Amino acid sequence: DAKTTQPPSMDCAEGRAANLPCNHSTISGNEYVYWYRQIHSQGPQYIIHGLKNNETNEMASLIITEDRKSSTLILPHATLRDTAVYYCIVREITGTASKLTFGTGTRLQVTL
Amino acid sequence: GAVVSQHPSWVICKSGTSVKIECRSLDFQATTMFWYRQFPKQSLMLMATSNEGSKATYEQGVEKDKFLINHASLTLSTLTVTSAHPEDSSFYICSANHFLTDTQYFGPGTRLTVL
Repeated sequence: DAKTTQPPSMDCAEGRAANLPCNHSTISGNEYVYWYRQIHSQGPQYIIHGLKNNETNEMASLIITEDRKSSTLILPHATLRDTAVYYCIVREITGTASKLTFGTGTRLQVTL
Repeated sequence: GAVVSQHPSWVICKSGTSVKIECRSLDFQATTMFWYRQFPKQSLMLMATSNEGSKATYEQGVEKDKFLINHASLTLSTLTVTSAHPEDSSFYICSANHFLTDTQYFGPGTRLTVL
């Protein structure tokens, strides 16, 4: 079972920041938070991941609370192409490749 | 970088036939690849974990004799759906775990339709 809770859907106006929340209250010390997105009829796309520090890359920023029980993915300037289902996934790091367990995600709709 | 391809992108076959799907990591090595299945309006469900040079590990409820997985090299894994039936119609997606970054990158998926 997925160890995360996300709102089923969100809307965002194009050009505005999209802030996607995720709760992972049972996260363990050796588990990372990963974000992927899936545009309709395509494979998921890796966005970003983090352990406890905030992370930023060319796609997004990841803000993890100090207690690590929740996080927020920020798309700073959403475009229509960012319309997708966004998955927040907790992944255990064990030294060997570990699996991803997908929940239901958040369907982000970016509008004009 | 970190590109994963799948072939074919879609396939239509008759009931009872077998279908092979290839998953390749194009610019990195992957000792571990994963196979997922996604039904319409549902999330991805992990089917099996494939390790190079060893037998695949299947998730509970997935028939290993029906879904044959081979991972013969560090860049190629194949999934063969044997004796396919209409209920096997689905979107099959692979991912490859980057050997250096330990991040999974996904292929574009293969849509299988069994008539």
